[in-house]
Amino acid sequence: QQQVKQSPQSLIVQKGGIPIINCAYENTAFDYFPWYQQFPGKGPALLIAIRPDVSEKKEGRFTISFNKSAKQFSLHIMDSQPGDSATYFCAADKRDSGYSTLTFGKGTMLLVSP
Amino acid sequence: NAGVMQNPRHLVRRRGQEARLRCSPMKGHSHVYWYRQLPEEGLKFMVYLQKENIIDESGMPKERFSAEFPKEGPSILRIQQVVRGDSAAYFCASSFSGGTNEKLFFGSGTQLSVL
Repeated sequence: QQQVKQSPQSLIVQKGGIPIINCAYENTAFDYFPWYQQFPGKGPALLIAIRPDVSEKKEGRFTISFNKSAKQFSLHIMDSQPGDSATYFCAADKRDSGYSTLTFGKGTMLLVSP
Repeated sequence: NAGVMQNPRHLVRRRGQEARLRCSPMKGHSHVYWYRQLPEEGLKFMVYLQKENIIDESGMPKERFSAEFPKEGPSILRIQQVVRGDSAAYFCASSFSGGTNEKLFFGSGTQLSVL
């Protein structure tokens, strides 16, 4: 059972475009939703994260939109650049256990063309 | 200020051999997590350790897999009698403490290939 579903699997946008990556979760115990960026040959790096008590969070060109009732959240990248080309993973976590056990989506491979 | 160090970067083993993957957390971090990434899949949690203690191994296969984080030295993920299905990227992450809101820092991973 896949607890975090991510779409699309891959995405191509032109420079300056706004790619949107969507995720949906099932477990209502999740209370922390990070996005990770991974370049080839590297480990994932935390990009931005949100808690369910807010509907939107923005850091630089990256924005998370969160819909608690629909159990969905999405990542928007404003004014995308070729350097944003990477694989993006959404994740969810239950923090009530006192430590992190992230559940990841399958990832979206983003290509930003010049 | 080195990040999370994993070695080797690439490991090739024949079926039935043992694989040992090492992870040195960031300086000052005493909490280590291991994740496995299968081709075209997201990362899956395997185990969470603190120094000398396994806190949560709910994601570890019941057989052939073990992990440790000794008082001195790196954390080790050990896979005995490897099979082709063990081929994957194994990532280690560390955090300063194990509490909520802690940021995890991932290493670059070990790519295990089983022939």
